Formats: sequence, structure tokens, C-alpha cells
Amino acid sequence: NAGVTQTPKFQVLKTGQSMTLQCAQDMNHNSMYWYRQDPGMGLRLIYYSASEGTTDKGEVPNGYNVSRLNKREFSLRLESAAPSQTSVYFCASSVLGQDGNTIYFGEGSWLTVV
Amino acid sequence: TQLLEQSPQFLSIQEGENLTVYCNSSSVFSSLQWYRQEPGEGPVLLVTVVTGGEVKKLKRLTFQFGDARKDSSLHITAAQPGDTGLYLCAGTGGSQGNLIFGKGTKLSVKP
Repeated sequence: NAGVTQTPKFQVLKTGQSMTLQCAQDMNHNSMYWYRQDPGMGLRLIYYSASEGTTDKGEVPNGYNVSRLNKREFSLRLESAAPSQTSVYFCASSVLGQDGNTIYFGEGSWLTVV
Repeated sequence: TQLLEQSPQFLSIQEGENLTVYCNSSSVFSSLQWYRQEPGEGPVLLVTVVTGGEVKKLKRLTFQFGDARKDSSLHITAAQPGDTGLYLCAGTGGSQGNLIFGKGTKLSVKP
């Protein structure tokens, strides 16, 4: 079972370069998310998509754009990378059950902006 | 803004010891989840608690949701090196029901 798959695993960018992080899930979940994780800051929501065709800003959306290409795929784009965007990025998807939202995370993408 | 405060931030103990990690807020959450994250991986869900006062057990791990649904605790009995990791609590909140994460407790269990 693949679950949530994100690529690339590691990336080094120069300031001002652009790149797209790809994410796909095979669990038929409606909701998908992009988080960033920084030391001492915990997981912070960048953008989320409650369903195909919709996207909404999270806590820290500045400098990012997203595309919900279809139900499976949710990409995160950095148009002009900045050193402050050095972080670990996690894609996730969720299903609503009787206990609320259960979130499944990908393995993370380590991004360094120099 | 809903916040979740976790304590302690770091915990280093010997194998066989017991420990408790706390997750506190001034806000009420409809449910609260605990995740464990190992280095180089994404968080993995351990448990969800939804009822005030609820206690759930997962082998040597005991999770409790406060009566007022504002706080939770995770107790590990006889910790083992395999318990090492970052423990995150997350509450369901916000207008869209998104998860709000605490900053985590980094646990190290030495053999």
C-alpha cells in the first residue's frame, strides 16, 4: 500500500528559483494538505484542499501556491524560493470517520534554499 | 487562535522508566489525536480521543482526554528504546475542522 507519496525527497534550491513538490494519494481521500515542519515550531498548515477543485489557505500560505490537479494529486509550488522556506514539507490526506478526521502523512520532502 | 501546549519539550529517560507527556489548551476540542514521528518519516496516528474523560490503551501507552476536552495526556509504562521519537498532539478545531498541532515532545529512551 503506497498511501501518500511525495517527491522529491531532498532538494536544494538557490534563492529565487522555483520548484514544485508533487504529492499523490491512493486512498480515495477527499481532503489533502501541505504542512511545513520547522524546529521548535511544530507542524504548520500551508494550504489544504477539502475536495477536488477547491483549495484554501492555512496558517502560513505566503510564498506558496497549490494545485489540486485531481482527487489523487495535490502539488505545492514555490515561485521564488527564499531561505525562510528551508524546511521539511509534508503532504497528507484525510478521511472523516466516527472519531473525526484521520490524517495520513507522506514521508516528507527536505528542502534547503541557499 | 486555538493553541496546544505540549510539555515537556524534551525527555530523556532510561529503559524501563515510566513517563507522562501533557497536551494542554484553553480551548475546547471536539477530538484530540496523538501521533508519533520517527526521524526521517512523517507522523503516524496512534490514537484519537473524542469523549471527555475518555481513556484509551494501546499496549504500554495510555491516553486520557480531559473531562472538559481541553487537555490530554499520554502515559508510557516501562519505556523501551523503540518508543523513542517525537510525540505530537493535535486537536480538531478551526472553521474547517482542520487539525491544530502542538510543537511536540521529543522522547529519547536509552537502553
